[in-house]
Amino acid sequence: DGGITQSPKYLFRKEGQNVTLSCEQNLNHDAMYWYRQDPGQGLRLIYYSQIVNDFQKGDIAEGYSVSREKKESFPLTVTSAQKNPTAFYLCASSIRGQGAATKYFGPGTRLLVL
Amino acid sequence: SQELEQSPQSLIVQEGKNLTINCTSSKTLYGLYWYKQKYGEGLIFLMMLQKGGEEKSHEKITAKLDEKKQQSSLHITASQPSHAGIYLCGADPWGSNYQLIWGAGTKLIIKP
Repeated sequence: DGGITQSPKYLFRKEGQNVTLSCEQNLNHDAMYWYRQDPGQGLRLIYYSQIVNDFQKGDIAEGYSVSREKKESFPLTVTSAQKNPTAFYLCASSIRGQGAATKYFGPGTRLLVL
Repeated sequence: SQELEQSPQSLIVQEGKNLTINCTSSKTLYGLYWYKQKYGEGLIFLMMLQKGGEEKSHEKITAKLDEKKQQSSLHITASQPSHAGIYLCGADPWGSNYQLIWGAGTKLIIKP
């Protein structure tokens, strides 16, 4: 079955540490996205990529970095520059040009700071 | 900045009762999307509305977009425990087809 996988389900970060969240899809989707979800708030876009080797900053990119070396993979690194990283992180993918109507979401990774 | 207001923030409904969730924008939208999220999980796409006055149904869930394309309502008839979760609306205010703005979500609890 096609879908999006995210790992790990829970991630703990120490002060000053960079951590990487994994996102893999086997839907053959060109576009992939990273969102951050905080309690009582809507989703906020961190980064998105519409094709391999290309990505754009979203609304809250500071303190985060991404890469898109393969179509099926879009890992997100939360760097030490992100001072408030505790949140639920959601990865999504969609067919390029058809956007939200075809958007699939992964199960999410909850990041906690030790 | 563009905002999407969702109401109510939370809702407790007796099983079998009907309920409505609203999503409002100050500007005309190109598209309005409803998603459902179980706590701690990803979002599941429910419905997309694009035309003014459009109405779509899936099982016991009906969503409508007003004529001005600024407000949408999600109506659940004869609620069941399986309807419990967080309902989020997302909207495309720029016609970008990929970048959405989001409501804060409505947490729905079904009392048996």
